[in-house]
Amino acid sequence: DIVMTQSPLFLPVFPGESASISCRSSRSLLHTNGYDYLDWYLQKPGQSPQLLISVGSTRASGVPDRFRGSGSGTDFTLKISRVEAEDVGIYYCMQALQTPYTFGQGTKLEIK
Amino acid sequence: QVQLQQSGPGLVKPSQTLSVTCVISGDTVSSNIAAWNWVRVRQSPSRGLEWLGRTFYRSQWDHDYAPSLGSRITINADTSKNQFSLHLTSVTPEDTAIYYCARARVTGLAFDVWGQGTVVTVAS
Repeated sequence: DIVMTQSPLFLPVFPGESASISCRSSRSLLHTNGYDYLDWYLQKPGQSPQLLISVGSTRASGVPDRFRGSGSGTDFTLKISRVEAEDVGIYYCMQALQTPYTFGQGTKLEIK
Repeated sequence: QVQLQQSGPGLVKPSQTLSVTCVISGDTVSSNIAAWNWVRVRQSPSRGLEWLGRTFYRSQWDHDYAPSLGSRITINADTSKNQFSLHLTSVTPEDTAIYYCARARVTGLAFDVWGQGTVVTVAS
């Protein structure tokens, strides 16, 4: 199985500040089609997970441009600019290159 | 728009079978490009998301399961009701979790639509 490792696991941020989450995979997620099969999800308190970013850097419909995914191969980053109160929750990366799909441990973002 | 509506029992006894169903609206379970997934998050101790398996149709039905579940898991589809179901046998308290169904609009791509979640507790 591909192991996904996120850091940090806990991320306290002041409103208006930026935040970054790192995600590393145990093998390259670069598909032969040129896309990295790495997705980012946010699970807000009491809600189902929601898709933020797919194939490394493509924002899902309705996701603000404050959210930016980058990286390739085995190293990926989710950057959130101008953090807002509504951004609190647990952020997960997930590899969709091969089954079993695997998630990172999750990063809990909290507003200071 | 596409919606997934889940249903299932909240309480299952140890050694019994857990079954959760996901009814699809706005898409078709027998789509030739989508895949239909199950994911769970166990609460105690707090654990992250865990992919359980998927089913999809490409001229015939196929599926992939998480090896960690061994032969306990089955995911099947009912085209007449446009739904798919998760069945997990021989459950233990370790299977207590919130179970989610999710669609990958294109097989191999991200889960763009999720069900509302079903809380399942395994206890006698």
